[in-house]
Amino acid sequence: SYVLTQPPSVSVAPGQTARITCGGNNIGIKSVHWYQQKPGQAPVLVLYDDSDRPSGIPDRFSGSNSGNTATLTISRVEAGDEADYYCHVWESSRYVVFGRGTQLTVL
Amino acid sequence: EVQLVESGGGLVQPGGSLRLSCAASGFTFSDHYMDWVRQAPGKGLEWVGRARDKANAYTIQYAASVKGRFTISRDDSKNSLYLQMNSLKTEDTAVYYCATSSLAFCGGDCYRYWGQGTLVTVSS
Repeated sequence: SYVLTQPPSVSVAPGQTARITCGGNNIGIKSVHWYQQKPGQAPVLVLYDDSDRPSGIPDRFSGSNSGNTATLTISRVEAGDEADYYCHVWESSRYVVFGRGTQLTVL
Repeated sequence: EVQLVESGGGLVQPGGSLRLSCAASGFTFSDHYMDWVRQAPGKGLEWVGRARDKANAYTIQYAASVKGRFTISRDDSKNSLYLQMNSLKTEDTAVYYCATSSLAFCGGDCYRYWGQGTLVTVSS
C-alpha cells in the first residue's frame, strides 16, 4: 500500500519559515492536499492540488510537489500557526492515504 | 453556509454495532462525494470510506481496515450520509468526521468541509 512519510515534528521561531515535507513514491505525479489541525478542532484545508489555497488561507502558506517529495511552506510563521499538519493523496482513485502528521511548534 | 453535523456516537461494547449520521446543508448534497474520516485519540487521520454521487452510480469505497464490517450509505432526499458500524473493535475508537468538497474544487478529492466529529468509544 502507498505510504506518505512526514517528520513527526518541526520547530521554528516566529517570523521564520517552516517547511514540512511529505514523502511518497513518485508523489510528484499525484495531487497533494494539506490540512492544519489544532487541538480539539476538525482539520482545515490549507492547500489543495499541491499549491492552491482555499479562500481565507493566507498567502504565507505555499506548496510544491516534485519527484518523491511534496512540501508545505509556511512563511513568516506566527504563533497561531502552531498545529498538526497532514498531507493527503488519493492512490489510484482507489483509497485515500494520509501522512502521519507533523507537529509544528513555534518557539 | 456549508454545515456538516455528525451524530450517533457513543459507548459500545466490542462486537457491538452503531450507526452514525451526517446531516448536510448549505450545498447541493446530491452532486458531492461524501467521505468518512476518523481519528483515534492522540493519533492521525484515517480514511474510512467514500460514497460517490448518482453520476458515479453511488459507488462506495472502503478502507481495508473496515471493509466487511462497516457500510456507508447516503440518502440524497434527506441530505444525509450514514455509517453503519458492525463487529466493532477497540481499535475503532475514534472521532468520526464526515467531510466533502465540490467536484469543481480539487475534483472532489480533497476535503474543503468537515463536520465537528462524533466520538465513538468501543470498550467493555
